[in-house]
Amino acid sequence: SAVISQKPSRDICQRGTSLTIQCQVDSQVTMMFWYRQQPGQSLTLIATANQGSEATYESGFVIDKFPISRPNLTFSTLTVSNMSPEDSSIYLCSTSQGNTEAFFGQGTRLTVV
Amino acid sequence: AQSVTQLGSHVSVSEGALVLLRCNYSSSVPPYLFWYVQYPNQGLQLLLKYTTGATLVKGINGFEAEFKKSETSFHLTKPSAHMSDAAEYFCAVSTANTGNQFYFGTGTSLTVIP
Repeated sequence: SAVISQKPSRDICQRGTSLTIQCQVDSQVTMMFWYRQQPGQSLTLIATANQGSEATYESGFVIDKFPISRPNLTFSTLTVSNMSPEDSSIYLCSTSQGNTEAFFGQGTRLTVV
Repeated sequence: AQSVTQLGSHVSVSEGALVLLRCNYSSSVPPYLFWYVQYPNQGLQLLLKYTTGATLVKGINGFEAEFKKSETSFHLTKPSAHMSDAAEYFCAVSTANTGNQFYFGTGTSLTVIP
């Protein structure tokens, strides 16, 4: 199993600013995932972060808006850049044990005002 | 491609009544199927999963689910609902060729009425 610590747990930000979310895993993992969960909706994959390479973004998400770092096998960050109220969501960090289980951080509840 | 459909975005049951949350999947290869629960202001917690073997799987908190290949379903049940079961429930699928990626349904919000 994997235990994921994510911070901050919540934040209220001004539009036009940026927020960096940190995700720490208690073991080395190959792949880390970043999801967005908009109010009342399911999880949407933003990108997959592999150590030592550029993140792979899903359709509708771009690096300029959601830059991701993956400096080592236990840590990743997601930045939400130039925020607008439409970015208000829960952002979740995840990793998986092959295809047989996914593990999640506690989530970051972001409100943009 | 893989996808998951959860019928019913909101389900209400009385305390002590049967809980049934529906999940159907689409996959061209044998799927791995999961149910996750999300309590308010928390991340997702694994309830149970099916990968191979017995098609009736038991999870935490008295929940179970049955993989029915002929119906492409993986419905979640619990014989008797507790107030503490009120939460958001997500069905998910992955396969051996999805590169560790999971696909989630839109979620079902369970309300338990005292």
